[in-house]
Amino acid sequence: EAGVAQSPRYKIIEKRQSVAFWCNPISGHATLYWYQQILGQGPKLLIQFQNNGVVDDSQLPKDRFSAERLKGVDSTLKIQPAKLEDSAVYLCASSLPPGQGKTEAFFGQGTRLTVV
Amino acid sequence: AQTVTQSQPEMSVQEAETVTLSCTYDTSENNYYLFWYKQPPSRQMILVIRQEAYKQQNATENRFSVNFQKAAKSFSLKISDSQLGDTAMYFCAFMKPITQGGSEKLVFGKGTKLTVNP
Repeated sequence: EAGVAQSPRYKIIEKRQSVAFWCNPISGHATLYWYQQILGQGPKLLIQFQNNGVVDDSQLPKDRFSAERLKGVDSTLKIQPAKLEDSAVYLCASSLPPGQGKTEAFFGQGTRLTVV
Repeated sequence: AQTVTQSQPEMSVQEAETVTLSCTYDTSENNYYLFWYKQPPSRQMILVIRQEAYKQQNATENRFSVNFQKAAKSFSLKISDSQLGDTAMYFCAFMKPITQGGSEKLVFGKGTKLTVNP
């Protein structure tokens, strides 16, 4: 079974530039999460999708971050404009719909973003 | 809001010995899930073990086991016969089942860096 795919693995940009990350979840997983993991901290949920609808985006800085999940499969997370404090690893995860199978989230390898 | 606390930023253990990582959480929910994830330098989060709160029996997965104390809201991870490949960050996480108007948000602690020494 293919895992959660993310790209790129690494990205370096200057502050005020824009950047986009891509995530392809495990086939059949209706729930998709984007997490931000700052160095030395645990992951923090940015946004959660159920199919192509947003379930929770309460911690997404909406003035600069946006995310979409077209057709309920792939997702992109965008930052525009980037700030120095956005330097972090961005993790994508997916899980089966509630009530189907074991409750568990599967993670991609993440994208390490460095803003200089 | 649920919170997860890992009070040990770093720990080390000798190869083949046993180590226990601590985790406490705060919630008013009665039904929920708890997880331990391992994050090696490759950054990929790997599920180590999961526990359903309604199950009294502690979960085990080979060399990994938990001590789940629901009343104390404690969920520690024991690693037996530690191996060099166990060196990683370990995160404790809490998830509440989806409810009407809610979401299955996965909340993490800050992590414990475990080093297994040869």
